[in-house]
Amino acid sequence: EIVMTQSPATLSVSPGERVTLSCRASQSVSGNLAWYQQKPGQAPRLLIYLVSTRATGIPDRFSGSRSGTEFTLTISSLQSEDFALYFCQQYNNWPLTFGGGTKVEMK
Amino acid sequence: QVQLVESGGVVVQPGRSLRLSCAASGFTFPSYGTHWVRQAPGKGLEWVAGISYDGNNQHYADSVKGRFTISRDNSKNTLYLQMNSLTAEDSAVYFCAKARGFQTSFDHWGQGTLVTVSS
Repeated sequence: EIVMTQSPATLSVSPGERVTLSCRASQSVSGNLAWYQQKPGQAPRLLIYLVSTRATGIPDRFSGSRSGTEFTLTISSLQSEDFALYFCQQYNNWPLTFGGGTKVEMK
Repeated sequence: QVQLVESGGVVVQPGRSLRLSCAASGFTFPSYGTHWVRQAPGKGLEWVAGISYDGNNQHYADSVKGRFTISRDNSKNTLYLQMNSLTAEDSAVYFCAKARGFQTSFDHWGQGTLVTVSS
């Protein structure tokens, strides 16, 4: 099984800051990587798929990139509604696997 | 608009069985793979099982293989998860999710149904 490791576990930031979240795969997942946002009591929402393609309705302050098996989600200028949990997911191999998540909280 | 509505979550004793349902609407259900993902309280997301658009291909997490069965009824636009031999470790909110294809990302999710396994 491919293990997805997200870092950091928690990120304390202020609105307007640039935020970078990391996700590392234990082996190649090619470009089959997605990012999701989850707020308390809600279902996850797809943000990014295929490493860098924004899902429908996702603002362009969210972007994704890849370097080998290292993936990054960047929020260019954090808005108040962006405080949430973020998960990465690989769908290159069965079983599909998620990272443990990064909580973006207010500083 | 796409809607996925899960049902069937209850408190159940260890060792018992339970079937979850997910009613889909707002899209052509028979054309897309669908999955179950669970989240234990305060924990991360765990993919559980996925089924292809026609039901001919299923995949499972090792933690549920042999105990859970995913199925679908395309005539009823409904996804199912039959869960047998439940343990406390199966306690979680279970989400159904529509895939963009089958082995792809999940572009729509239901709100989830809570399963609690407890004596």
